[in-house]
Amino acid sequence: ETGVTQTPRHLVMGMTNKKSLKCEQHLGHNAMYWYKQSAKKPLELMFVYNFKEQTENNSVPSRFSPECPNSSHLFLHLHTLQPEDSALYLCASRQLDRDNSPLHFGNGTRLTVT
Amino acid sequence: AQSVTQPDIHITVSEGASLELRCNYSYGATPYLFWYVQSPGQGLQLLLKYFSGDTLVQGIKGFEAEFKRSQSSFNLRKPSVHWSDAAEYFCAGFYDKVIFGPGTSLSVIP
Repeated sequence: ETGVTQTPRHLVMGMTNKKSLKCEQHLGHNAMYWYKQSAKKPLELMFVYNFKEQTENNSVPSRFSPECPNSSHLFLHLHTLQPEDSALYLCASRQLDRDNSPLHFGNGTRLTVT
Repeated sequence: AQSVTQPDIHITVSEGASLELRCNYSYGATPYLFWYVQSPGQGLQLLLKYFSGDTLVQGIKGFEAEFKRSQSSFNLRKPSVHWSDAAEYFCAGFYDKVIFGPGTSLSVIP
């Protein structure tokens, strides 16, 4: 399997649930990203991991908790979400030491918070 | 500030017509530039990329883009649009981080 794989593709959860999104990249990249894409809004960068270390957190609420156990896997743990958190969550990866390395995206997880 | 803009929120073209989607980057050092396409319910797929050199870049699915330093632009073009090209298109620039434009939604009339 190649590219960036995200699971699940769709997730419906209540506001009191705890769930996790998973991302796996098979490209040998060393940086991984979480983006949020809401309707009618630009792509929002949430978190960046370089060599498994978090290097960027764009003022994301603590109800979103990322985890990067190794450079191939990235998780987004969700807890006590709000309806406005409903969105498409996209994972991406790239190679850090090449400035011209583009982001490679997964197909996303469509999250609905009820 | 570093920025990437896409002036057109939505464009509608007839199938078989030519297409041009506009992208401008903020004045200053030229970033690496990319175009992505996103079909409904899917992630972003890389169409093409510009680093340096030739100003006309060829991509996948029959797309090309022209880099114009004098206009700080990197417009995406396709000579003949197919119905399957209906999607959201994002321009992106890499400075010290990746910056995405807001996207242009393309509708294709049969």
